[in-house]
Amino acid sequence: KAGVTQTPRYLIKTRGQQVTLSCSPISGHRSVSWYQQTPGQGLQFLFEYFSETQRNKGNFPGRFSGRQFSNSRSEMNVSTLELGDSALYLCASSPMSGGAVDTQYFGPGTRLTVL
Amino acid sequence: KNQVEQSPQSLIILEGKNCTLQCNYTVSPFSNLRWYKQDTGRGPVSLTIMTFSENTKSNGRYTATLDADTKQSSLHITASQLSDSASYICVVTALTGANNLFFGTGTRLTVIP
Repeated sequence: KAGVTQTPRYLIKTRGQQVTLSCSPISGHRSVSWYQQTPGQGLQFLFEYFSETQRNKGNFPGRFSGRQFSNSRSEMNVSTLELGDSALYLCASSPMSGGAVDTQYFGPGTRLTVL
Repeated sequence: KNQVEQSPQSLIILEGKNCTLQCNYTVSPFSNLRWYKQDTGRGPVSLTIMTFSENTKSNGRYTATLDADTKQSSLHITASQLSDSASYICVVTALTGANNLFFGTGTRLTVIP
């Protein structure tokens, strides 16, 4: 079974631009969660989608948004990029909603650099 | 305030030695606690998941313990190998709340020959 894939792996943008990141979960997994990881803050939860519905959301501004498609693939969008958005963005999938005791499988991440 | 604290922040040990990493939390109400291993430049990999009723869970040379009364967990690594060099992250899930995931900042383990 193929693992979680994220595209692109690396991205460089400038302040004010917007970016869309993509995540393809493991086949059969219906839950997709997004995380931001920075050296200073560590891992932070962005949001979780299950069956195309946002189930949970972290404490991030509205510039961060996401969606999930009927095939469980998910996209995350960040508008009006700021320097502080530079981070590794990780996607994780699990068979059920992440609130259950369910193993999450992480993708390799997308490294976003904002100049 | 819901928090997860890990110690030590970093650790260097000799190959073959054992080590124990700590995770203390104040998250309530508690649902489960997970330990992840993250190699540099890669996504985290799940090691163990424990619920309130479980106090020990093993995954190969990794053994996690949970004391729900004192809100403490530990991850014990036996007979360390060079490949154990990584960051180990403790994540606690609360039973309720839209934002119910709480992350430790991790312990950076380096195993040297």
